[in-house]
Amino acid sequence: GAGVSQSPSNKVTEKGKDVELRCDPISGHTALYWYRQSLGQGLEFLIYFQGNSAPDKSGLPSDRFSAERTGGSVSTLTIQRTQQEDSAVYLCASSLNPAGGWYEQYFGPGTRLTVT
Amino acid sequence: DAKTTQPPSMDCAEGRAANLPCNHSTISGNEYVYWYRQIHSQGPQYIIHGLKNNETNEMASLIITEDRKSSTLILPHATLRDTAVYYCIVKEGGGTSYGKLTFGQGTILTVHP
Repeated sequence: GAGVSQSPSNKVTEKGKDVELRCDPISGHTALYWYRQSLGQGLEFLIYFQGNSAPDKSGLPSDRFSAERTGGSVSTLTIQRTQQEDSAVYLCASSLNPAGGWYEQYFGPGTRLTVT
Repeated sequence: DAKTTQPPSMDCAEGRAANLPCNHSTISGNEYVYWYRQIHSQGPQYIIHGLKNNETNEMASLIITEDRKSSTLILPHATLRDTAVYYCIVKEGGGTSYGKLTFGQGTILTVHP
């Protein structure tokens, strides 16, 4: 079946511009996560959505970052006034409801963001 | 505040077993050990997880020491496609604990012909 998809696969933007990154989770997965991976770094948690609960935004690095999840499915990560340090691969993952037990997270291929 | 320590890199010959160690000396009783890997230019992929018993699936085996302070991921017959960064992660299990993963630097495994 279809896995997690992300778009665009690559995005080059100028410093100061806003960008939107999209994630389509696996159908039926109620949990959705955003991570980012900077060059040479490990993966860094950004935000977590589960059903209709308030999202866990504890990993967002600044108020320039926001995310929403419409209809419990597609999610959009928005970065306002992009900075060069925002350059990274942004990864989305989804899973079944982790409150019901542990379920593996399925990751998408990521969006490579380059801020010039 | 990394909970795990892994060697930065390892090599393995194709067809041989790859044994990847992980130290997690501060692991608590309700924390599981999870392994993911990330092949170049792809998102991470789940491999296996365990609490205290050894585990095996179609991809790998996980050996956890009796005191649970360390573990070893075993790829029994490594192939070139197993070249990847391997992440050992410690976190609470299911129930009310949600699934945020905290990745460290991982081990770069290179399988050579």
